[in-house]
Amino acid sequence: AQSVTQLDSHVSVSEGTPVLLRCNYSSSYSPSLFWYVQHPNKGLQLLLKYTSAATLVKGINGFEAEFKKSETSFHLTKPSAHMSDAAEYFCVVTPGSSASKIIFGSGTRLSIRP
Amino acid sequence: DTAVSQTPKYLVTQMGNDKSIKCEQNLGHDTMYWYKQDSKKFLKIMFSYNNKELIINETVPNRFSPKSPDKAHLNLHINSLELGDSAVYFCASSLGLAGSYEQYFGPGTRLTVT
Repeated sequence: AQSVTQLDSHVSVSEGTPVLLRCNYSSSYSPSLFWYVQHPNKGLQLLLKYTSAATLVKGINGFEAEFKKSETSFHLTKPSAHMSDAAEYFCVVTPGSSASKIIFGSGTRLSIRP
Repeated sequence: DTAVSQTPKYLVTQMGNDKSIKCEQNLGHDTMYWYKQDSKKFLKIMFSYNNKELIINETVPNRFSPKSPDKAHLNLHINSLELGDSAVYFCASSLGLAGSYEQYFGPGTRLTVT
């Protein structure tokens, strides 16, 4: 069985400060893990993915995430928040072999204070 | 050029009506999906097609019927619309069915049933 938990429904940070969005997962298989971003009234866009290669994954717009098997976590970070980062972020898990069991987290809304 | 496009962007209709949403991808991908996003932003996979064949059919009412005339198109037809069908519907595509492939999402169709 698979599951994914995003630990915060809403995160608010000041512009220029670090961002941390937390994601824990559970998977019976070797998982693939993704972070997607959804800006208001838009579709989802891939930020980064982990597929059993390097555990520290770099994505677009300065985001990165670290796969920690011992902690079953895949937290998303960015050193310095920008106003344009305000959006909904989804952590996603699939078994590496098939997209048929794709599970989306419930989402974290990131707000940026000027 | 838009990679994954959907029409219409907005759809307002009355209960009991039948409606269709169209999706096209120009990425040359083999696999396409339909997702439903509810008012709380929760995303759930509805259908997946690989090379025009249905692969996944989650527990979706049979009022929803996907149709794939070719690899580049996956349409969603909904019969006898109900209030609970109001949501944003996203089409997506990926290179193949493997869980390691990222998905490319369309802009969404906001369906409102009155």
